[in-house]
Amino acid sequence: AQTVTQSQPEMSVQEAETVTLSCTYDTSENNYYLFWYKQPPSRQMILVIRQEAYKQQNATENRFSVNFQKAAKSFSLKISDSQLGDTAMYFCAHLNNNDMRFGAGTRLTVKP
Amino acid sequence: NAGVTQTPKFQVLKTGQSMTLQCAQDMNHNSMYWYRQDPGMGLRLIYYSASEGTTDKGEVPNGYNVSRLNKREFSLRLESAAPSQTSVYFCASSEEMTGIYGYTFGSGTRLTVV
Repeated sequence: AQTVTQSQPEMSVQEAETVTLSCTYDTSENNYYLFWYKQPPSRQMILVIRQEAYKQQNATENRFSVNFQKAAKSFSLKISDSQLGDTAMYFCAHLNNNDMRFGAGTRLTVKP
Repeated sequence: NAGVTQTPKFQVLKTGQSMTLQCAQDMNHNSMYWYRQDPGMGLRLIYYSASEGTTDKGEVPNGYNVSRLNKREFSLRLESAAPSQTSVYFCASSEEMTGIYGYTFGSGTRLTVV
């Protein structure tokens, strides 16, 4: 089964600056999907961005973008112009054959 | 626009008691999932239902049972609660059976077993 590793348990960034959260995964499959989810203190899991493994172009959603390196099995999330509302837990996830596996999460704090 | 609704939001059980966590979605999604979230471990899949009438085990199914009551509802039952089942439980759904567009999550149930 695939595994997902987030090596940064906690990170902080100053408001308006850029931060990158790391994620690596292990899979033997060629076709799969990758996601970043945000979990604010309200506990609700919110989909931030998704990437299809067969697409080389990195996904972008407003201030959020990814750096997808398929050969390296790396999927990092870049948050530009960080805002106080970005403070949350961020989970990387890998989906294959209806099996979505999550990393342990990175707690991001945006400081004013 | 309720999305995925879970009840209850909080629950305290004594060891050996049973309970059912309820989940309902109003988005006409085909697939539904139950996850548990523990500190430092992310979310782990307990059971899922790819479509109405089917259920399958996930990564950590022991101690749990599920019922896909209809297309909208997917319940999780703890027959004899144990302290190791103290966790936050999330229900999720996806439109596509493959889940390739991501999941919509409920707001979770915090369960404490004493």
